[in-house]
Amino acid sequence: GAGVSQTPSNKVTEKGKYVELRCDPISGHTALYWYRQSLGQGPEFLIYFQGTGAADDSGLPNDRFFAVRPEGSVSTLKIQRTERGDSAVYLCASSPGQGVAGANVLTFGAGSRLTVL
Amino acid sequence: AQKITQTQPGMFVQEKEAVTLDCTYDTSDPSYGLFWYKQPSSGEMIFLIYQGSYDQQNATEGRYSLNFQKARKSANLVISASQLGDSAMYFCAMREGPNQGGKLIFGQGTELSVKP
Repeated sequence: GAGVSQTPSNKVTEKGKYVELRCDPISGHTALYWYRQSLGQGPEFLIYFQGTGAADDSGLPNDRFFAVRPEGSVSTLKIQRTERGDSAVYLCASSPGQGVAGANVLTFGAGSRLTVL
Repeated sequence: AQKITQTQPGMFVQEKEAVTLDCTYDTSDPSYGLFWYKQPSSGEMIFLIYQGSYDQQNATEGRYSLNFQKARKSANLVISASQLGDSAMYFCAMREGPNQGGKLIFGQGTELSVKP
């Protein structure tokens, strides 16, 4: 697609429920990133994929969070047993490749706003 | 310690005037990259400008320029001839190391309001 697409744009769920957030990156971009942005804060890195593999998941806060990218394009961020503190905007970004010299500019999607009641 | 510090939570500027948004960073890695992103109310992060730690000249992109002072560890964004559409949140970000690609550390952001 022309840009990074994220669905749903808004998700309201109850504490304890399971949630999936989807990201469709720019066609041909091999690197995909998930960030989380809490209200009034800058985005925080969660995980990135180079192709199908998670190259760095050091930002995932705990084992309730998991992400996959089975075919090297679309990615799904999965959150189990959601808590109120998980409420945030989850941003996805893609870039042509990881380990690229220079800027390696990320193109971000509009985000998925998650609200846990 | 904060890796990226943006000390101005909010800034106002008159339309057509220039404005400087401050950013300081902290890293011991000799190879790093500095970025500025704009986030309008729609929520999407828009890339504005990039400066590599080894770049000799300050980066410029149209009305945006980055005032890179390596010894002071500052990377201020200068927007010339402000427009109403420049009203948004602005984030400074850093990539540490040559191979970290898109793993960025963001500051808290500065909200810029442009007055007509």
